[in-house]
Amino acid sequence: GAGVSQTPSNKVTEKGKYVELRCDPISGHTALYWYRQSLGQGPEFLIYFQGTGAADDSGLPNDRFFAVRPEGSVSTLKIQRTERGDSAVYLCASSSRLKPGELFFGEGSRLTVL
Amino acid sequence: GQNIDQPTEMTATEGAIVQINCTYQTSGFNGLFWYQQHAGEAPTFLSYNVLDGLEEKGRFSSFLSRSKGYSYLLLKELQMKDSASYLCASMDSNYQLIWGAGTKLIIKP
Repeated sequence: GAGVSQTPSNKVTEKGKYVELRCDPISGHTALYWYRQSLGQGPEFLIYFQGTGAADDSGLPNDRFFAVRPEGSVSTLKIQRTERGDSAVYLCASSSRLKPGELFFGEGSRLTVL
Repeated sequence: GQNIDQPTEMTATEGAIVQINCTYQTSGFNGLFWYQQHAGEAPTFLSYNVLDGLEEKGRFSSFLSRSKGYSYLLLKELQMKDSASYLCASMDSNYQLIWGAGTKLIIKP
């Protein structure tokens, strides 16, 4: 597609439930990033994929968070046993190999855990 | 440790000039980036500096001093649509962006 696409744009769930957030990056971009952002804060790094493999998952806060990118394109961020503290906007971004710092962001998925 | 510092909020007048400062400390350095983020929207790339000096791009310019770990974003001829948060990010030795918390710029008529 023309830009990075994220679904759903909004997700409201109850504490303890499982959620999946999807990201479809710009075609041809090998790098894919997941961040989360709270109001008044910069993006908080979660995980980075180069191709199909997670090159850096040091930002995942705990083992309730997991992400996959099985075919090197679409990625899914999975959160188990959600907690109220997981509420945030989850941003996905992609970049080309030639310009690694020039990230193209999706509109984000706003997650609210009640 | 890795750290990016920038002011939390700034106010400026339409038509004026504003300078947003950023100091950084990262493990290795592969460039300094500025992004703009309007409220409720995703960040968008503005500029990239890897060498010392000033990079000009229309009404926006970005400056870098590697020896001082310092950058600024200069916005000229401010327009109301420039009201947004401006995020400073340093790329570390692993080519990962380390982000500041952002500077909220309020433009008054």
